Amino acid sequence: DAKTTQPNSMESNEEEPVHLPCNHSTISGTDYIHWYRQLPSQGPEYVIHGLTSNVNNRMASLAIAEDRKSSTLILHRATLRDAAVYYCILTGNQFYFGTGTSLTVIP
Amino acid sequence: DTEVTQTPKHLVMGMTNKKSLKCEQHMGHRAMYWYKQKAKKPPELMFVYSYEKLSINESVPSRFSPECPNSSLLNLHLHALQPEDSALYLCASSQPATGFDAYTQYFGPGTRLTVL
Repeated sequence: DAKTTQPNSMESNEEEPVHLPCNHSTISGTDYIHWYRQLPSQGPEYVIHGLTSNVNNRMASLAIAEDRKSSTLILHRATLRDAAVYYCILTGNQFYFGTGTSLTVIP
Repeated sequence: DTEVTQTPKHLVMGMTNKKSLKCEQHMGHRAMYWYKQKAKKPPELMFVYSYEKLSINESVPSRFSPECPNSSLLNLHLHALQPEDSALYLCASSQPATGFDAYTQYFGPGTRLTVL
């Protein structure tokens, strides 16, 4: 199973941009990069996904390195509601969660 | 509608009880999943159903018995559980994985299980 590596925790000031990195050096050509977030006592929530090109949606942007061995989730203006654990997941045949990054947003 | 519902929200059971967790989705997805999540850990895949057939069992003990009666419904039958089985049980659904698609999974809110 393809593995991902993320920092255990990050902090951001409210209304500042946040860049959450993910390394996935063993990614295969057909693996999609998915990002989910999980608020306390809730199920994981889909944020964004991509294959090769950068992607934007109403929640976030996903920047994918040219060699696809890393990606960055960008929250353009962090709010207190963005405090969560963010998971970067490679979806080839199945879905395996790494340890994720716990994001703290400071008012 | 991207909603996956799970019932009950909370469940407390003794080690000799038999109980069931229920999951439902109406997105037309043909793959459904059970995950187990311990406190402060990532979700761990338990079972995958694809087109109502069990396709993956991640070496889960037989005291957990999944069932997929139809394409919208997924059950997890519990019997003779241990206290260490206490966890958040998450259900998810997606289109079946072909290895070439994004097959985004949508998760329910989970059932918080406590085994006494």
